[in-house]
Amino acid sequence: GQQLNQSPQSMFIQEGEDVSMNCTSSSIFNTWLWYKQEPGEGPVLLIALYKAGELTSNGRLTAQFGITRKDSFLNISASIPSDVGIYFCAGHVQTGTASKLTFGTGTRLQVTL
Amino acid sequence: DAGITQSPRHKVTETGTPVTLRCHQTENHRYMYWYRQDPGHGLRLIHYSYGVKDTDKGEVSDGYSVSRSKTEDFLLTLESATSSQTSVYFCATATGTSGGPQEQYFGPGTRLTVT
Repeated sequence: GQQLNQSPQSMFIQEGEDVSMNCTSSSIFNTWLWYKQEPGEGPVLLIALYKAGELTSNGRLTAQFGITRKDSFLNISASIPSDVGIYFCAGHVQTGTASKLTFGTGTRLQVTL
Repeated sequence: DAGITQSPRHKVTETGTPVTLRCHQTENHRYMYWYRQDPGHGLRLIHYSYGVKDTDKGEVSDGYSVSRSKTEDFLLTLESATSSQTSVYFCATATGTSGGPQEQYFGPGTRLTVT
């Protein structure tokens, strides 16, 4: 099955630094979503994007829906230790009753003090 | 938080035995999903349901079956567990409103080990 290409695969940054990660696809999506997963837990929704070119913020997080509808970006400003986790992008497709997400491979973020 | 619970949270079973995992939601969401998560593969869709008794296959459905007899419950059955089905299984739900929000909300996961 298709998976989205997410980069970087992992990042080691210092507390206070800004973080950028992106997700690309060969297919067009109508919705892009970003999730965070911490060890032993399920993914938690961070941001949902519905329009090409849309820029949406959630606290220190900012995400953009690429104008080609084939990519999306997530930025985290002034990172803190609790930002540690794996970040997944997901693109949504709906065909009739089939409403599905395709997930990226994840970016593992480590924050050092 | 869509009020999603999964049971059991951990299970160890032997090869060849049937296993059923349960997902329960309290949000009256139309859509429910089962995913498995493995290192190097991310989240992969096993089966999903778009209503009571309405289900369809995902990308890795072989060896799995599902049932949804009421809105709040979605069961995943491994008909004859194999070691390749050792994984973490996540349930998710979505409102499924046409033209509406497409967010999926995830449960806490079930860690299954097949020995």
